[in-house]
Amino acid sequence: SAVISQKPSRDICQRGTSLTIQCQVDSQVTMMFWYRQQPGQSLTLIATANQGSEATYESGFVIDKFPISRPNLTFSTLTVSNMSPEDSSIYLCSAAGTGNYGYTFGSGTRLTVV
Amino acid sequence: GENVEQHPSTLSVQEGDSAVIKCTYSDSASNYFPWYKQELGKRPQLIIDIRSNVGEKKDQRIAVTLNKTAKHFSLHITETQPEDSAVYFCAEGGATNKLIFGTGTLLAVQP
Repeated sequence: SAVISQKPSRDICQRGTSLTIQCQVDSQVTMMFWYRQQPGQSLTLIATANQGSEATYESGFVIDKFPISRPNLTFSTLTVSNMSPEDSSIYLCSAAGTGNYGYTFGSGTRLTVV
Repeated sequence: GENVEQHPSTLSVQEGDSAVIKCTYSDSASNYFPWYKQELGKRPQLIIDIRSNVGEKKDQRIAVTLNKTAKHFSLHITETQPEDSAVYFCAEGGATNKLIFGTGTLLAVQP
């Protein structure tokens, strides 16, 4: 299974600013995803990060708010733009393993917006 | 659209007993069903998965069963231990390869 390094692990940000989260995978993977997890809740898919093309966003998430980059098959970033306290959450990246099975997760970024 | 229902939301068992968590999905194109364990403050960890071409898979004390006709799948943990205490999530994946997660089950194993 792919091993994912995610950073930062946590941050406290002022409202109106932006934060970029990075994920590095130890092998080339076709599929990468970004999720949000509110405390005590399930994982909600934000978008699929596509290499070489624009990310595919789920309902309720838009590119202007959550721009995503995927410059190659081992790296992706998620930016949380113009943050408000409602954006406070844990953000996790995920990558699919061989044959697009065995998805693994980064360690998560705990974001607090004040 | 995709939707995964998971029950129960909380489950308390005595050490040594079995625990069963059930999920129901709606997308008939789904063909991959993993289960994740998430301990407090940690990332979700894949514990077992099943593909749609099999009905059951077992790995030591953990097993997953799949009923494609009824669109539900279940996680079975036997001989539970205190270290099994965590939140468990089911998920379903299909042609788009993205995973949609269930709402989670908080399992407490009482020693």
